[in-house]
Amino acid sequence: DVKVTQSSRYLVKRTGEKVFLECVQDMDHENMFWYRQDPGLGLRLIYFSYDVKMKEKGDIPEGYSVSREKKERFSLILESASTNQTSMYLCASSLQGANGYTFGSGTRLTVV
Amino acid sequence: AQTVTQSQPEMSVQEAETVTLSCTYDTSESDYYLFWYKQPPSRQMILVIRQEAYKQQNATENRFSVNFQKAAKSFSLKISDSQLGDAAMYFCAYCTTNAGKSTFGDGTTLTVKP
Repeated sequence: DVKVTQSSRYLVKRTGEKVFLECVQDMDHENMFWYRQDPGLGLRLIYFSYDVKMKEKGDIPEGYSVSREKKERFSLILESASTNQTSMYLCASSLQGANGYTFGSGTRLTVV
Repeated sequence: AQTVTQSQPEMSVQEAETVTLSCTYDTSESDYYLFWYKQPPSRQMILVIRQEAYKQQNATENRFSVNFQKAAKSFSLKISDSQLGDAAMYFCAYCTTNAGKSTFGDGTTLTVKP
């Protein structure tokens, strides 16, 4: 069974901390994505990557960065966590756009 | 920029009945893909159904079917014989053919009443 695995289901961090959210897929997918999900706002794209070491900004990249050193792993980094980054973070991967996404289970991040 | 609009924040349906969730989108592209995803409470989001814009025939997956109206830029999801397990938030999404990223609507929360 193909999988996208997010390392943490729940995370609580303090304001100003550097936070790493990890995502690993075992499907040899080229494309990987990070979204945040907030009530009433749907899913908003933070960053995405089409290949190793490549990254593209999404709609809301401010305050975030990403790393893709290996094809299967796509990390989201909050350089200095703030309370407005409290959210559900969803990682997804796809072989190509036409196939749709396979999602991870999500990480619910609370910044206090 | 492409936008996806789901005008129904919440919907409810009686078990065994049929419900339709609405979705409209805005694009200047002619080739694209449309999706419906299901996110059950506290569970992983999964792909329910997909539609290629170049196909006139509406996609069907068991009890799930779509009504794709390309000219109207409308893409509704019909769930027949609703089951308790269909209760979830449903997201409509749009993806162009030359980019892998998708744009999502705000979601519709579906309640199924026994």
